Amino acid sequence: AQSVAQPEDQVNVAEGNPLTVKCTYSVSGNPYLFWYVQYPNRGLQFLLKYITGDNLVKGSYGFEAEFNKSQTSFHLKKPSALVSDSALYFCAVRDPNSGTYKYIFGTGTRLKVLA
Amino acid sequence: GAGVSQSPSNKVTEKGKDVELRCDPISGHTALYWYRQSLGQGLEFLIYFQGNSAPDKSGLPSDRFSAERTGGSVSTLTIQRTQQEDSAVYLCASSLRGTGNTEAFFGQGTRLTVV
Repeated sequence: AQSVAQPEDQVNVAEGNPLTVKCTYSVSGNPYLFWYVQYPNRGLQFLLKYITGDNLVKGSYGFEAEFNKSQTSFHLKKPSALVSDSALYFCAVRDPNSGTYKYIFGTGTRLKVLA
Repeated sequence: GAGVSQSPSNKVTEKGKDVELRCDPISGHTALYWYRQSLGQGLEFLIYFQGNSAPDKSGLPSDRFSAERTGGSVSTLTIQRTQQEDSAVYLCASSLRGTGNTEAFFGQGTRLTVV
């Protein structure tokens, strides 16, 4: 069965420092991977996705993520964190071989950027 | 409209009453999803519609939950005989098509409180 794990409930980082939010997945075939961000009292906003091709994908607001097939990971990164990046981040996977196209989400990681 | 629209944004209901939550997807999007987000929890898949295909109902937690999508557009999620554990934010999303490489766009959600 497909699944996603976000091992950290919360990540704290100082403003200006690089940030990483971790995500690992489990699917039977080649995954489609997504990152979403949720600001307080808001819906989820799409950040970026990996479908195929270059393992490093770039997305909105300066975020990027690296697909690592051998480690089954898709960690979200940003070179220099902003206080405004503080939010709840969700990793999601779709398995094109599963027969269903629902997104499976991780439990979320709360990012707190400290001024 | 420009985005996914959900109504109402907030709903307080008494235990045992029925509620209907509405979702207007982005025009032209053939896939529509319902998720539930409980306080401090991740996103729980409920149901997925794709065009005229039979919906994937595998996430509905009980037979008190049902959903329909009329004319391939607007969807209604109905919860009968509400219970306190149904209190959550119900999120609707749509995507251009059901194939795996498209991202979903989420509405702001309906916050349901059962008292």
